[in-house]
Amino acid sequence: EAQVTQNPRYLITVTGKKLTVTCSQNMNHEYMSWYRQDPGLGLRQIYYSMNVEVTDKGDVPEGYKVSRKEKRNFPLILESPSPNQTSLYFCASSLTGTSNEQFFGPGTRLTVL
Amino acid sequence: KQEVTQIPAALSVPEGENLVLNCSFTDSAIYNLQWFRQDPGKGLTSLLLIQSSQREQTSGRLNASLDKSSGRSTLYIAASQPGDSATYLCAVLNSGGYQKVTFGIGTKLQVIP
Repeated sequence: EAQVTQNPRYLITVTGKKLTVTCSQNMNHEYMSWYRQDPGLGLRQIYYSMNVEVTDKGDVPEGYKVSRKEKRNFPLILESPSPNQTSLYFCASSLTGTSNEQFFGPGTRLTVL
Repeated sequence: KQEVTQIPAALSVPEGENLVLNCSFTDSAIYNLQWFRQDPGKGLTSLLLIQSSQREQTSGRLNASLDKSSGRSTLYIAASQPGDSATYLCAVLNSGGYQKVTFGIGTKLQVIP
């Protein structure tokens, strides 16, 4: 089944403890992206990647890192999480960046205490 | 910076009614516009994708239009059903040398049986 998977789905952590949220797609998509969704602010793009080893900042990249070493995986890294990073995170992918629909993962709900 | 606005923020209609959701964007330099639905606590489901060169797309009871020059898109839902109750989001893929995505905050639709 074609899908975007994220792990973990739920995570409660403490300030400063490094964490990684994984994202994987099995559709051979070139474009992958991370978003956060907050009440009243909607979805905002954190980082995106147009292909392997090519990443770029979205609108809210501060406090996050990403890497794209393989086409299928696009992990989101929070080196030193803070409470303002408590949010619902979504990973998405599309065949190419310019002409294809995005498919979303199920989301990861992160709470930073 | 691209801004995407969706009006109304919430809408309640009786079952069977036809309805229109609106999405406007400030920068016409886009590759495409995509409509999604999001059910409470769930991820995003793609509904329709309109390329910047297209005027409309149809899928079943859904019809989306795009007027790039005026920065507007509409999502028309015919013969609404209670199962259509969800939050509807529009997103634009920006061009201009990068491939950032900007979302609207969404329209929360309730279809009353």
